[in-house]
Amino acid sequence: KAGVTQTPRYLIKTRGQQVTLSCSPISGHRSVSWYQQTPGQGLQFLFEYFSETQRNKGNFPGRFSGRQFSNSRSEMNVSTLELGDSALYLCASSSAPGTGNQETQYFGPGTRLLVL
Amino acid sequence: GQQLNQSPQSMFIQEGEDVSMNCTSSSIFNTWLWYKQDPGEGPVLLIALYKAGELTSNGRLTAQFGTTRKDSFLNISASIPSDVGIYFCAGQLASNYQLIWGAGTKLIIKP
Repeated sequence: KAGVTQTPRYLIKTRGQQVTLSCSPISGHRSVSWYQQTPGQGLQFLFEYFSETQRNKGNFPGRFSGRQFSNSRSEMNVSTLELGDSALYLCASSSAPGTGNQETQYFGPGTRLLVL
Repeated sequence: GQQLNQSPQSMFIQEGEDVSMNCTSSSIFNTWLWYKQDPGEGPVLLIALYKAGELTSNGRLTAQFGTTRKDSFLNISASIPSDVGIYFCAGQLASNYQLIWGAGTKLIIKP
């Protein structure tokens, strides 16, 4: 079974630009969560999607948005990039949220975003 | 909001030593997950625990779901150089099924 894939793996943008990151979950998984990780920091939860609906949202500004498609693939978008948005963005998939062991999340390799 | 306290924040150990780390909270959990993250990669699931008191091993790694359902422990026996990395715990809250994360334990092996 293929794992979680994220594209692109690396990205360089300049301040003020916008960026879209993509995540394809494990086949059969319907829940996708996004996290931001800055150097030396833990995982900061961005949002979670299940069946094309945003189920949970972390404490990030409205510049961060996401969506999920009918095939469970997800995208996140960051508009008006700031220097502080430079981070590793991780996507994780699970089969279903809030259902015990189906909550177990499997991570992709991440997209490393550098904002200059 | 709910917090997970993961400790220690970092550890310097000699190759061959045993390692212990833990996550504690004032909240009650249904599930505990332990992950390891190598530099530049996403976290990889090591062990999943689903029942209070459960003790599960994965090679040299052993994790336990605390009997109070408020904590979990991870032990690594006879550490080797490839054990370096950051270890994260994550717990699913019993109250709302939300998954919350510890800040990580960075494992460094002394040369």
